[in-house]
Parts: sequence; C-alpha cells; structure tokens
Amino acid sequence: AQSVTQPDIHITVSEGASLELRCNYSYGATPYLFWYVQSPGQGLQLLLKYFSGDTLVQGIKGFEAEFKRSQSSFNLRKPSVHWSDAAEYFCAVNGATNKLIFGTGTLLAVQP
Amino acid sequence: NAGVTQTPKFQVLKTGQSMTLQCAQDMNHNSMYWYRQDPGMGLRLIYYSASEGTTDKGEVPNGYNVSRLNKREFSLRLESAAPSQTSVYFCASSERGPAYEQYFGPGTRLTVT
Repeated sequence: AQSVTQPDIHITVSEGASLELRCNYSYGATPYLFWYVQSPGQGLQLLLKYFSGDTLVQGIKGFEAEFKRSQSSFNLRKPSVHWSDAAEYFCAVNGATNKLIFGTGTLLAVQP
Repeated sequence: NAGVTQTPKFQVLKTGQSMTLQCAQDMNHNSMYWYRQDPGMGLRLIYYSASEGTTDKGEVPNGYNVSRLNKREFSLRLESAAPSQTSVYFCASSERGPAYEQYFGPGTRLTVT
C-alpha cells in the first residue's frame, strides 16, 4: 500500500536561511510525487511534481525537490527562505490507483 | 477562470442535521475529489469521481454520500451530522490519470455541535 511520511511536524528557520523538508514514501514501483503548499485559510497549491526523467525538479517560488529512489525520499529544498514562505507543506504520492495519498504535513515558521 | 469553487465557506450544524457541500470546476476536468483535513492528519480522501457518472469510496467514506451531478459539479452530503465530522472539507479536480496535479478549492469549515 502507498504511504507518505513527513517526519517533521514543525520547523522554524530564519529568513534567508536554507530549508529542507523531508518526505519518505512507500510504494513498490516508481511513484508520482508531489509537493503542495497551504497558506493559512487557503486551499492547496502545487509547488512541483515528479514522475520521470531528471531526479531534480524545479518548482514555483524558488523551490526544488530531489527524487532518490534508493532512499525512497523526495525532499523539498529552498536555498533562501522568505517570510512569505511560512505555510504548511504537504508531500503526496500517487501510484496506480489514481488517488493521492498525503503526508501529515510540515508547518514552517520563518523568523525575521 | 474561477478554478474550483466551494460553497458554503463556513457552516455550523447541530448533531443530526443534514447538509450538502457544493463544488464546481470550470477546467473541464474529468476527475473530482472530496477530502477532509484534520489537525495532524493531513488530507484524507472521502470520495472521488474518476469521470462523470462514476463515484468511488476513498479512505474515510462513512457518514457521507456524493453525487456527480455533471462534469462540472460534485456534491458531498452529510445525512446526519456528527461531532466527529467537524473538519475542513476540500474539493479538488484533475485530469484523469496519476501524473496530473489536483487543483483545490478554498475549503469549507464545518463545525458540528
């Protein structure tokens, strides 16, 4: 069965610092992987996705993620965080069932 | 282009009352979904519709029913609301297939007292 683990419930970083949010998935074949962001009181917006090809994918707002099959991971990174990046971030996997399975989310706080 | 719209934005119900959450999309997507979001649990799929005329249960379907009214609209009904159904409900739509991203509505915050 598909599953997604986001081990960090809450992360605080200083503005301008680098960021890495962890995501591990469980799926037998190569999955379709997504990162979404949710600002307070809003719906979810897609940051980036991976389903084949280059394992380093670029997304919106300066985010990138790297697919590592050997580690079953799809970690999200940003070199320099802005105050507007404070939000909740969700990793999701879609296998052959056409249904997204979400992780429990990581809440990012940005200190000035 | 409004994307995915949901009504209402907020709702308070008493235990045992019924209500229908409405969702519409204007992107001509085949697939539509209903999720609930609870603190610390991420989003969990309640029901989905892969295409017009079909609906299937997701992870947490008990206490809910859905109707795919046409290609644009997908409603979620609570027949007899319970406090455990207090949550934020999101509708989403996508092209059919696992590689396609889902587009989310702004959500409905439901409180059952």
